[in-house]
Amino acid sequence: DVKVTQSSRYLVKRTGEKVFLECVQDMDHENMFWYRQDPGLGLRLIYFSYDVKMKEKGDIPEGYSVSREKKERFSLILESASTNQTSMYLCASSGGTGGGANVLTFGAGSRLTVL
Amino acid sequence: RKEVEQDPGPFNVPEGATVAFNCTYSNSASQSFFWYRQDCRKEPKLLMSVYSSGNEDGRFTAQLNRASQYISLLIRDSKLSDSATYLCVLDTGRRALTFGSGTRLQVQP
Repeated sequence: DVKVTQSSRYLVKRTGEKVFLECVQDMDHENMFWYRQDPGLGLRLIYFSYDVKMKEKGDIPEGYSVSREKKERFSLILESASTNQTSMYLCASSGGTGGGANVLTFGAGSRLTVL
Repeated sequence: RKEVEQDPGPFNVPEGATVAFNCTYSNSASQSFFWYRQDCRKEPKLLMSVYSSGNEDGRFTAQLNRASQYISLLIRDSKLSDSATYLCVLDTGRRALTFGSGTRLQVQP
């Protein structure tokens, strides 16, 4: 089974803090994604990466950055956390560029609260 | 306008009922379509792909209407374990999927 592991299930941070959310997958997948999920808004794409050191902006990249130094690891960084970044963050991965690329395997999520 | 629109529900149905969800999309360039399922406090998981000719997987039937830009999911003989949020998902060709906000189904005993 593909496993996507997110380092923290629950985090509480203060406004202005730098926050790192880590995601690791163990199936040699090329593609990795960060979404946030909010009630009534569904999943919104923040950033994605289809290769090491490559990154693409999603629909809501403002206030976030990402890092992919190794194929298995994709980190989401909040340079200066704000209260409107309180959310559930979901990491996902998929393999290849064909149909398999559309089969996302998600991590369990990281619930971030910014006070 | 949102790229993907879904009725949020909840749809409350008795066990054994047939229930259908629709989803409309605005990007006519959308290439592939899917239904994902998300259980309460869990991550989304792929339920099924949606093909132009329509496809069935057990009690679940998915249909695509490109002319009207909507997809549907039909669940027959609902089970308590079908209670979940059903997410309509598109591939618009940018190498990342676009998710709807989901339709919540509650199957009652």
